[in-house]
Amino acid sequence: KAGVTQTPRYLIKTRGQQVTLSCSPISGHRSVSWYQQTPGQGLQFLFEYFSETQRNKGNFPGRFSGRQFSNSRSEMNVSTLELGDSALYLCASSLGQGHQPQHFGDGTRLSIL
Amino acid sequence: AQTVTQSQPEMSVQEAETVTLSCTYDTSESDYYLFWYKQPPSRQMILVIRQEAYKQQNATENRFSVNFQKAAKSFSLKISDSQLGDAAMYFCAYRSATLLRGANSKLTFGKGITLSVRP
Repeated sequence: KAGVTQTPRYLIKTRGQQVTLSCSPISGHRSVSWYQQTPGQGLQFLFEYFSETQRNKGNFPGRFSGRQFSNSRSEMNVSTLELGDSALYLCASSLGQGHQPQHFGDGTRLSIL
Repeated sequence: AQTVTQSQPEMSVQEAETVTLSCTYDTSESDYYLFWYKQPPSRQMILVIRQEAYKQQNATENRFSVNFQKAAKSFSLKISDSQLGDAAMYFCAYRSATLLRGANSKLTFGKGITLSVRP
C-alpha cells in the first residue's frame, strides 16, 4: 500500500509570492491534516480536512488555506509569502476517527528568500 | 487547550542499553490518545507506539513500551536494547477523542527530544 505522498519535496520562493503544496493520502484515508515544522516553534497544526470539508483549524493567518478534493487529495496554499514561512510542511492522513493513528508524508521543505 | 511538554531536549544512550524519554501533558478531557513518533534525519514521522487513555494497560511494541500514568498526566517511552537505528528525534503527541463534525485527527506535539545512540 502506497504511503502518503507529498509534492514537491523542495521548494524555493521569494517574499510576496504564493505557493501550493500537494498531498495524496493513503488509499482509503479520508482525513488529511497539515502541520508546519520549524526549529523555533516545533510542530504546529495548520488544518484538517475530512470529506472535502475543513473540520479543524490551527492558529495561523488567513494567508494559509487549503482544500480537499473528492479523491481525498489535499492542497495547501500560502499567499504573500514571508521569510517566517520557511519551514518543513508535513501532511498526514488517517481514517479520521477513533484511535487510528496518522501516517505522515516526507514533507515539503519550503525556503523563502 | 491541551499542551504537551518534553523537558529534555537531548538524551544519549549506549547501544544495547535502555533509555526512557519523558513526556507530560495537560488536558481537562478524560478520553484521548497519546502517541510517540520518531523522526529520523530523513524527516518522515514514523509512529512508534500509541496508547488509549481509557486503557490501563501500558502499550508495548517490541523493544518499545510506555509508562502511562493518567492521574499524573505522564507518558514516558522506554526503549530497550537500544540500536544505532533508534537515533532520531522523538515526539510525544496528544489527540482528543472528541470528534469535531465527524472527525478529529489534530495532534498536539511536544518540542521533541533528540536521542543519540553511542556505539
